[in-house]
Amino acid sequence: KQEVTQIPAALSVPEGENLVLNCSFTDSAIYNLQWFRQDPGKGLTSLLLIQSSQREQTSGRLNASLDKSSGRSTLYIAASQPGDSATYLCAVSHGQNFVFGPGTRLSVLP
Amino acid sequence: DAGVIQSPRHEVTEMGQEVTLRCKPISGHNSLFWYRQTMMRGLELLIYFNNNVPIDDSGMPEDRFSAKMPNASFSTLKIQPSEPRDSAVYFCASNHLHRDYAYNEQFFGPGTRLTVL
Repeated sequence: KQEVTQIPAALSVPEGENLVLNCSFTDSAIYNLQWFRQDPGKGLTSLLLIQSSQREQTSGRLNASLDKSSGRSTLYIAASQPGDSATYLCAVSHGQNFVFGPGTRLSVLP
Repeated sequence: DAGVIQSPRHEVTEMGQEVTLRCKPISGHNSLFWYRQTMMRGLELLIYFNNNVPIDDSGMPEDRFSAKMPNASFSTLKIQPSEPRDSAVYFCASNHLHRDYAYNEQFFGPGTRLTVL
């Protein structure tokens, strides 16, 4: 059974810092990995999708990498801003079955 | 594009009552998912449909839960009778099912916060 973990569970950084969020999964037979952002009381917003054949994807200040063989993905956020404060979740896909991690709660302090 | 639409956004009901949650997927998407999110268990897949057909309902907790998708633009999740432990946020998501699963990207609605007293 696929298990997805995210470390750290919570992170607090001063504005302007670069930071890395981690996602680990136990079964490497995945089709893709997706990073989401969830604001309090809101739904999940898709940030980046990395296909299993890809190593990384970039969108603005966000860069996500995938090492399928070792079961790891990282989300790099450059020059963090208070507006980046949210919970970040990763999800791996086995076809149409998506398994989510518990999330990392990020606080960026002004 | 309006995105995935869910209603109601908040629902407060008493134990034993029937609850119906509604979802309209993104136009053109042919797969729809229902999830439940709690602090203790995180985000759990309950059921998903491809082309209006239920494919995997193994996540539905018990017979009190049922889901339907009568057409491509509407789905319901019903709980009857509701219990306090059903209190959670219920999300609907949709995507366009590609032959290559690597391209499947999910899009979520805003969720329905259910409180059962």
